[in-house]
Amino acid sequence: NAGVTQTPKFQVLKTGQSMTLQCAQDMNHEYMSWYRQDPGMGLRLIHYSVGAGITDQGEVPNGYNVSRSTTEDFPLRLLSAAPSQTSVYFCASSSNRGPYEQYFGPGTRLTVT
Amino acid sequence: AQSVTQLDSQVPVFEEAPVELRCNYSSSVSVYLFWYVQYPNQGLQLLLKYLSGSTLVESINGFEAEFNKSQTSFHLRKPSVHISDTAEYFCAVSDRNNDMRFGAGTRLTVKP
Repeated sequence: NAGVTQTPKFQVLKTGQSMTLQCAQDMNHEYMSWYRQDPGMGLRLIHYSVGAGITDQGEVPNGYNVSRSTTEDFPLRLLSAAPSQTSVYFCASSSNRGPYEQYFGPGTRLTVT
Repeated sequence: AQSVTQLDSQVPVFEEAPVELRCNYSSSVSVYLFWYVQYPNQGLQLLLKYLSGSTLVESINGFEAEFNKSQTSFHLRKPSVHISDTAEYFCAVSDRNNDMRFGAGTRLTVKP
């Protein structure tokens, strides 16, 4: 099993550009989520999904969109990148049936200039 | 929603010394508790977890954490640290709806 995979590993955007961060998992997990990690702030939940076709907002959803058309994939879209979105983004997945530990991807380091 | 406070942002310690990384949580419902470790330029890896049962849980590399319900704490300890334990450690709390919240992290630096 590859676990949770994320692409790209690094990305530089100009302010106003849009892009999609890809996330896929092969563990048949129902729950998937996106976090951003900023120094001194830990991980903050952006959006999450409890199953295909169902998404919801986390703590910091503004400026991001998600969709979940399949169990395996959970892409994160930046609509119009801003310097405040410079961060490291992690995708994670877990089973809805417990024990709820989340499995993390390797991360995407995004810089917005 | 639940929340987590990690009481130390940085913990420097000498090799072979004991260490404790402190974590307090708040929640109005039953929760699951986790410690994750992040090595430089990597994702998060699960270190140990408390779901139910024995309040003392252990990892394979010598860390342990004790769930204290009355003090709402889940401190992480290791009796003797190694250089390779240098990393950032995150405490996390989750409810049965998979709503997981993380602390701000504690950077453990082990010096020779």
